[in-house]
Amino acid sequence: AQSVTQLGSHVSVSEGALVLLRCNYSSSVPPYLFWYVQYPNQGLQLLLKYTTGATLVKGINGFEAEFKKSETSFHLTKPSAHMSDAAEYFCAVSDGGGFKTIFGAGTRLFVKA
Amino acid sequence: EAQVTQNPRYLITVTGKKLTVTCSQNMNHEYMSWYRQDPGLGLRQIYYSMNVEVTDKGDVPEGYKVSRKEKRNFPLILESPSPNQTSLYFCASRPGDRSNQPQHFGDGTRLSIL
Repeated sequence: AQSVTQLGSHVSVSEGALVLLRCNYSSSVPPYLFWYVQYPNQGLQLLLKYTTGATLVKGINGFEAEFKKSETSFHLTKPSAHMSDAAEYFCAVSDGGGFKTIFGAGTRLFVKA
Repeated sequence: EAQVTQNPRYLITVTGKKLTVTCSQNMNHEYMSWYRQDPGLGLRQIYYSMNVEVTDKGDVPEGYKVSRKEKRNFPLILESPSPNQTSLYFCASRPGDRSNQPQHFGDGTRLSIL
């Protein structure tokens, strides 16, 4: 069965600092991996996805993530945090043949001025 | 504009009073899904639909019904709502039956059941 673990329900960084949000997954088949962002009172928006090919994936707003199969990880990073990055971030996994997507519990990012 | 539209956005109701949350998408997507979001639990899938007249249970289907009579619409029905169904609900859609495609989400429906 698939599962997703996001380490840290809350992460706080200073503006300009590195953002690192952790995601580990388990899947019995090669996974498709996603990061979504949720701003207050809105639905989820896709930040980036990994399906096949290059393991370093670049997304919107300067975010990127690296798929590491050996570590079953898909951590999200951004070199320099901006106040507008404050939101909740969800890691998700779906398998190649199924119809379900499993979401992590989410990490709320706070950005301090 | 490509979008998933949910109605209502907010609803306060009482135990046992049937309610329907509507979901409509204008992207001609085959796949649609309902999730509930609860603090500390992330999003959990309630039901999904691969196409018209094809629906299946997700991880938390108890107490919910769905129907898919038209491609664009996927309503969520609570026949006899209970307080444990108080939550934030999201409808989502994606193209085809390929789970490597990201989902497009509505803005959510916040249900409070007293």
